[in-house]
Amino acid sequence: DVKVTQSSRYLVKRTGEKVFLECVQDMDHENMFWYRQDPGLGLRLIYFSYDVKMKEKGDIPEGYSVSREKKERFSLILESASTNQTSMYLCASTTRWASPQHFGDGTRLSIL
Amino acid sequence: AQSVTQLDSQVPVFEEAPVELRCNYSSSVSVYLFWYVQYPNQGLQLLLKYLSGSTLVKGINGFEAEFNKSQTSFHLRKPSVHISDTAEYFCAVPPGGTSYGKLTFGQGTILTVHP
Repeated sequence: DVKVTQSSRYLVKRTGEKVFLECVQDMDHENMFWYRQDPGLGLRLIYFSYDVKMKEKGDIPEGYSVSREKKERFSLILESASTNQTSMYLCASTTRWASPQHFGDGTRLSIL
Repeated sequence: AQSVTQLDSQVPVFEEAPVELRCNYSSSVSVYLFWYVQYPNQGLQLLLKYLSGSTLVKGINGFEAEFNKSQTSFHLRKPSVHISDTAEYFCAVPPGGTSYGKLTFGQGTILTVHP
């Protein structure tokens, strides 16, 4: 069965810290995504990657960066965490256009 | 780019009543449409998808959706809901072009089923 695993379900960090969120998929999917979910705003795409070492900005990339050194792993990095980055972060993967995305369980991140 | 609009942010309903969650999409060209469900403190799970063929699509947990090209709608329905259907529901569509599997999501509809 398809599996997308996010390393932490809950995370608490302090303002200014560098924060790493990790995501691993076991389906050999080419495309991986990081979303941010906030009440009333739905899912907003932060970054996505369509191949190893390849990445493109989504709709809200400011304050974030990503890394994809291996096909199965896609990391989201908050360079200097701020309180307005407190949110639910969701990772997803898919194989091609018009295919369903498969999601991890999410990381609820609090920045104090 | 294609987009979706979910017309209701919250839908309260009593157990065993029917429910319809509304979704409209922006384009009249060929579309692929998805409904996802998110239970509390979980990620999104695919409910159903429309790729082509029959306009009535059946999904998991007794849900179904009807693709209506003339009204550019893809409403989700269930004839009798359970308490366990309480969740947030998202409609989604590929944005068009070379999208690398990207999806554009609606803002979500919170379905609350009351006993």
